[in-house]
Amino acid sequence: EAQLVESGGGLVQPGGSLKLSCVASGFTFSGSAMHWVRQASGKGLEWVGRIRSKPNNYATAYAASVTGRFTISRDDSKNTAFLQMNSLKTEDTAVYYCTNGMDVWGQGTTVTVSS
Amino acid sequence: QSALTQPASVSGSPGQSITISCTGTSSDVGGYNYVSWYQQHPGKAPKLMIYEVSNRPSGVSYRFSGSKSGNTASLTISGLLAEDEADYYCGSYTSSSILVFGGGTKLTVL
Repeated sequence: EAQLVESGGGLVQPGGSLKLSCVASGFTFSGSAMHWVRQASGKGLEWVGRIRSKPNNYATAYAASVTGRFTISRDDSKNTAFLQMNSLKTEDTAVYYCTNGMDVWGQGTTVTVSS
Repeated sequence: QSALTQPASVSGSPGQSITISCTGTSSDVGGYNYVSWYQQHPGKAPKLMIYEVSNRPSGVSYRFSGSKSGNTASLTISGLLAEDEADYYCGSYTSSSILVFGGGTKLTVL
């Protein structure tokens, strides 16, 4: 069964940093683009960014709201994707999901930015 | 990239059919057959219900169907059940191979 498991969420002060991890199993991780999607409490889904596979040069793209602050990377040898979040703002508070952009989603990890 | 446009809410009685629309542009919904629909129950992760406009993943009920005309995609749920009550999101790939979502539609089964 294909599965994604996120970790690394928590409480951080405004201006701080946090790194989320997403471990994949049950599907060919190295051949898949990986996306991060977030959802603030009571709000809709917001695409955060993605990293493509090695044949696509690990190309990344980000939503305008996080460009310059967030960085997505991956380690195919560990079937893991990462979301490095810097200069965090209160409006970044949300549940963060990783997904293959299609049918496989993690359970989400909660990030709270507050003083 | 602007979000796709969905109605905020729809409702229907058990056994009825409902349709949720998702309007984008020629750069996303209208330009590619990569529209997906997700169901999300409270506190749960989104679940893929339709992919590539009209395809159902294994295990998804035949009561769920998708279509597209121009820049607008639609999700139809027939034979409504109480368990269908949830939030529904459309999503589309764009010309830059990024994802854009609709604002979500709350389905109430009366």
